[in-house]
Amino acid sequence: AQSVAQPEDQVNVAEGNPLTVKCTYSVSGNPYLFWYVQYPNRGLQFLLKYITGDNLVKGSYGFEAEFNKSQTSFHLKKPSALVSDSALYFCAVRDMRGNNRLAFGKGNQVVVIP
Amino acid sequence: GAVVSQHPSRVICKSGTSVKIECRSLDFQATTMFWYRQFPKQSLMLMATSNEGSKATYEQGVEKDKFLINHASLTLSTLTVTSAHPEDSSFYICSARVLTSSYNEQFFGPGTRLTVL
Repeated sequence: AQSVAQPEDQVNVAEGNPLTVKCTYSVSGNPYLFWYVQYPNRGLQFLLKYITGDNLVKGSYGFEAEFNKSQTSFHLKKPSALVSDSALYFCAVRDMRGNNRLAFGKGNQVVVIP
Repeated sequence: GAVVSQHPSRVICKSGTSVKIECRSLDFQATTMFWYRQFPKQSLMLMATSNEGSKATYEQGVEKDKFLINHASLTLSTLTVTSAHPEDSSFYICSARVLTSSYNEQFFGPGTRLTVL
């Protein structure tokens, strides 16, 4: 079965500095990879996805993520963090050869310090 | 993008009562709907998967008689928490999926905060 690891519990970054949220995955087939953001007491908002094509994917709110097949990673990045980026971030993977189900990581709390 | 709504957004109920949560896909027909449960600062845990007109498939450890799911149409699924207890207090999120031969996307609702007193 597919799985996702988000190794850090919380990521602290100063406003204006680069932000990176790490994600590694495990699937038996080709992965579809996703990043979602969740604000307090809200549902998940889609940020970006990788299905095929360019390894660097650009998404909403200035976020991007790089698919690295050899390292089975899909780290989320933003060149310059904003205070409003403080939220919970989830990486997810769907195994297109498996049960077609989304598997979520445990989430990372991002805190952007003014 | 497609919009999924949930109602209510918050509900507080007494222990022993039942609570119904609605999930609607507003501008599309969903092949499948998913119900997730989320504890504070934790990930989403899939509770069940439902297809329109058929019985829901529950994940291991989820009581189907406790969490009743009805998927009456391609735009509406309901989750009823029966005889709710304080340990059922949680954030419940639904998701609707569109799946065709060339399209596979899942859209999430805003969530429902259930507090059982």
